[in-house]
Amino acid sequence: NAGVTQTPKFQVLKTGQSMTLQCAQDMNHNSMYWYRQDPGMGLRLIYYSASEGTTDKGEVPNGYNVSRLNKREFSLRLESAAPSQTSVYFCASSTRRTGELFFGEGSRLTVL
Amino acid sequence: GDSVTQMEGPVTLSEEAFLTINCTYTATGYPSLFWYVQYPGEGLQLLLKATKADDKGSNKGFEATYRKETTSFHLEKGSVQVSDSAVYFCALSDRVNTGGFKTIFGAGTRLFVKA
Repeated sequence: NAGVTQTPKFQVLKTGQSMTLQCAQDMNHNSMYWYRQDPGMGLRLIYYSASEGTTDKGEVPNGYNVSRLNKREFSLRLESAAPSQTSVYFCASSTRRTGELFFGEGSRLTVL
Repeated sequence: GDSVTQMEGPVTLSEEAFLTINCTYTATGYPSLFWYVQYPGEGLQLLLKATKADDKGSNKGFEATYRKETTSFHLEKGSVQVSDSAVYFCALSDRVNTGGFKTIFGAGTRLFVKA
């Protein structure tokens, strides 16, 4: 049972470089999310896609873009990485009934 | 907008002590409430949930009751173990008009349990 799979698990970038974090879920969930986790800040919502074909900004969207490619896949793009985007990124998906989240294992991104 | 506030940590307890981690929320709708746990080096996993007022969620000896009148969802455990050492996150999930949910989290509370 794969659940939520995100890649890559680790990435080091230089300031100004771009990259895309990939996420896929095999649970037929409608909603998908990208969060970042920073020490003392908990998880902050970057973008979410409540259903296929929709995307919405969360709490900290600046510097990021997302694409809901299909029901299974939701990618997060950093167009011009900045040191402030050094963080652990989590993708998640949720059930239709209650919003319970299922998380990927996380992607640790370092921007130098 | 919606928000979640939980007590700051770290919380340090001895084994078999009673645990309470406070969580309060503000929401415009009728959210579901959750506690998630993150063990060292791992991702987050659901600990327990409650979907409507007065519901009690429970799992692994942990409990929390959805209190609409005090907008709270405090986490409790009668006797903690060393293996409960982790970071605990309170979260609320609210329906949005695009057909799904938006979930936001508190800042997390780190728990250390000493043998």
